[in-house]
Amino acid sequence: AQRVTQPEKLLSVFKGAPVELKCNYSYSGSPELFWYVQYSRQRLQLLLRHISRESIKGFTADLNKGETSFHLKKPFAQEEDSAMYYCALNHRGGGNKLTFGTGTQLKVEL
Amino acid sequence: NAGVTQTPKFQVLKTGQSMTLQCAQDMNHEYMSWYRQDPGMGLRLIHYSVGAGITDQGEVPNGYNVSRSTTEDFPLRLLSAAPSQTSVYFCASSPTANYGYTFGSGTRLTVV
Repeated sequence: AQRVTQPEKLLSVFKGAPVELKCNYSYSGSPELFWYVQYSRQRLQLLLRHISRESIKGFTADLNKGETSFHLKKPFAQEEDSAMYYCALNHRGGGNKLTFGTGTQLKVEL
Repeated sequence: NAGVTQTPKFQVLKTGQSMTLQCAQDMNHEYMSWYRQDPGMGLRLIHYSVGAGITDQGEVPNGYNVSRSTTEDFPLRLLSAAPSQTSVYFCASSPTANYGYTFGSGTRLTVV
């Protein structure tokens, strides 16, 4: 069965410190993975797609098939990065269904 | 473009009442989905659609119905509301199978 695990409910870092939000997945095939961000009282927004290998707002994420991970990283945290972050796995070949992790609340402290 | 529009933003229902959550998108996206968001559980898929006239169940479909008569609209019906359906509901749409979803602003539903 498909599963996405985000082991940390809350991650607190100081401004300027590196950030790593962990995401591990379980999927019997070639995965399509995404990171979504939800700022306080706002809608979810797509942050990254692994297939595009882009950097958005200084965040990057690399798919590691050997470790079945898709961790989100940023070298220097900013106060405006405080938000809830969700990792999501797309089910290939069946309706574009996403399985979400339970989310990690990132808090950037001054 | 308005993107994905959900109405209402807030709703309080009594147990046993029925209602429809509206979702409309103006981006001509084929894929649409409904998710519910609960504390500590992330987002869970209720129903989804791959195009007009085609819908299917997600992870937690019980107590909900959907239809997709047009590309633009994808309403979610609660048949007989229960307190367990208290949640925030998000509608989302996507143009292709691997592009990623655009989400609406959500409907916060409370069932008393």
